[in-house]
Amino acid sequence: QVNLLQSRAALVKPGASVKLSCKASGYTFTDYYIHWVKQSHGKSLEWIGYINPNSGYTNYNEKFKSKATLTVDKSTNTAYMELSRLTSEDSATYYCTREGDYGGYYFDYWGQGVMVTVSS
Amino acid sequence: DVQMTQSPSYLAASPGESVSISCKASKSISNNLAWYQEKPGKANKLLIHSGSTLQSGTPSRFSGSGSGTDFTLTIRSLEFEDFAVYYCQQYNEYPPTFGGGTKLELK
Repeated sequence: QVNLLQSRAALVKPGASVKLSCKASGYTFTDYYIHWVKQSHGKSLEWIGYINPNSGYTNYNEKFKSKATLTVDKSTNTAYMELSRLTSEDSATYYCTREGDYGGYYFDYWGQGVMVTVSS
Repeated sequence: DVQMTQSPSYLAASPGESVSISCKASKSISNNLAWYQEKPGKANKLLIHSGSTLQSGTPSRFSGSGSGTDFTLTIRSLEFEDFAVYYCQQYNEYPPTFGGGTKLELK
């Protein structure tokens, strides 16, 4: 069965960076784009961007272009998102998701989410 | 960006009842709409895509309707496991955007 296993919660200092991981299993990793989604506490969801695990091509929401960097390691079926120059606005839960089967940016599987807290 | 407005934000119902959740887009999105279910401690679940196509594994008591700007998620004969938060999401235009969520609570 498809599973997206995300890294543990992170507590990071303002101005620092954090790299989140998402290990995929149960399907051919390079066949599906991986998308990342942000959920600030008590708020709705925001799309950050996606990566094509086969080619490494990325596409970002303009809002997150200078914040997030998406990469993959095909040898371990793992996607990563690095968030840089963290501020309190980056405190949120971040989800990796798999793009749906029938085209279009909807998401048929989600990771369990990882909470990032930015605090000194 | 396309704004997605869900209503109501909160909905209280009892098992066995039927409920509907509305999702309105700020411009036409054809039928490029998905619905998700969020439950504590569980991964978010895709219920419906393409406005009305049930994702594999979604119970038939769930249905989606609409096109253009107005969409509805209907749950017939609520079961205890359905009490959760529901989100709509458009994927017709870049960037994909989500509604604010509807919390379905036990009355």
